[in-house]
Amino acid sequence: NAGVMQNPRHLVRRRGQEARLRCSPMKGHSHVYWYRQLPEEGLKFMVYLQKENIIDESGMPKERFSAEFPKEGPSILRIQQVVRGDSAAYFCASSPTGTGKYGYTFGSGTRLTVV
Amino acid sequence: GENVEQHPSTLSVQEGDSAVIKCTYSDSASNYFPWYKQELGKGPQLIIDIRSNVGEKKDQRIAVTLNKTAKHFSLHITETQPEDSAVYFCAASKVDAGKSTFGDGTTLTVKP
Repeated sequence: NAGVMQNPRHLVRRRGQEARLRCSPMKGHSHVYWYRQLPEEGLKFMVYLQKENIIDESGMPKERFSAEFPKEGPSILRIQQVVRGDSAAYFCASSPTGTGKYGYTFGSGTRLTVV
Repeated sequence: GENVEQHPSTLSVQEGDSAVIKCTYSDSASNYFPWYKQELGKGPQLIIDIRSNVGEKKDQRIAVTLNKTAKHFSLHITETQPEDSAVYFCAASKVDAGKSTFGDGTTLTVKP
């Protein structure tokens, strides 16, 4: 019974390149959340998705960032034209419902380094 | 929106002592309060949670208390062990909204 799977674990990109982060939720979970963690800081909400729908993207920068959760396949967080400030750990979490009744199951994260 | 403040940012205790981490929240509509433990290089792991209709919840050596009037909740770890050393995050959310707001974390060090 695999948990939340994120890949890659580590990603190095040069400034201006694109970064694609993947997340497969826990089996039976259809709600996915992306959080960003800067060094020595807490987790900041980015986006909440259900299959084929973005429910809440209030934490996502308006430019360069996008997210999707297609009917088939993993959720993807895409960062275009990366800059040094995008270097962070990006965590995906899933839950069985979209309510706050249950906590999240987190993946191990993708650590993005922009050089 | 919701704002969660967490204190202290770092906490060092001797093995066997108790540790307490406190959080306050701003949105009185929040009614679900989970705590997560994050070990180095890993994702956060849910360790205990409490809902607004309960004042206290215990699970072996860990307990959480909630004061809705004062809008604060606390994590208590008794008989600490070196393996309790980690970063602990509190969070708050509403039952009808999936998004959680996290505190900035507490780095707990348990000295053997």
